[in-house]
Amino acid sequence: EAQVTQNPRYLITVTGKKLTVTCSQNMNHEYMSWYRQDPGLGLRQIYYSMNVEVTDKGDVPEGYKVSRKEKRNFPLILESPSPNQTSLYFCASSFSPGGTEAFFGQGTRLTVV
Amino acid sequence: GQNIDQPTEMTATEGAIVQINCTYQTSGFNGLFWYQQHAGEAPTFLSYNVLDGLEEKGRFSSFLSRSKGYSYLLLKELQMKDSASYLCAVYNTNAGKSTFGDGTTLTVKP
Repeated sequence: EAQVTQNPRYLITVTGKKLTVTCSQNMNHEYMSWYRQDPGLGLRQIYYSMNVEVTDKGDVPEGYKVSRKEKRNFPLILESPSPNQTSLYFCASSFSPGGTEAFFGQGTRLTVV
Repeated sequence: GQNIDQPTEMTATEGAIVQINCTYQTSGFNGLFWYQQHAGEAPTFLSYNVLDGLEEKGRFSSFLSRSKGYSYLLLKELQMKDSASYLCAVYNTNAGKSTFGDGTTLTVKP
């Protein structure tokens, strides 16, 4: 089954404690991206990757890091989480940035206290 | 940059028809997506319009006018399960990515 898998689904952490949210896709997609979704603000892109070892900033990259060492995996790293990073996070993948549908992971609800 | 506008909320009755509008201002427009998102779940793809006109897919249809920077999603024979947020996203070749509107929350009432 074609899917994008994120883990964990829910996470509560404390300010400053480094965390990683994993994302994996099994569709051999080249393009992957991370979004955060906050009430009334829609989906905002954090980082994206056009292919292995190619990543770039989206609209709201501050406080986040990513890596793309393998085609299927695109982890999101918060080196020092802060309460304003409390949000619902989605990973997505597609064959290209546009023109083809994006497949989204189940979401990760992160709370930073 | 891009500016995408959708109504924040809409309410409709089961069995009725509803039209959700999306207007956009962008350079390098290359296509417009509609996604459906139930509360707390992942968005799922509904449609992608590149050329002007109406595309029908079962109970859902999507329309695009590139000259007017306008699209709508038409939902017919509404069902309770259609209660969800509907996200409009514009693909911009200059930016090399899609940008999402804030979404329209549709509530279907009996």
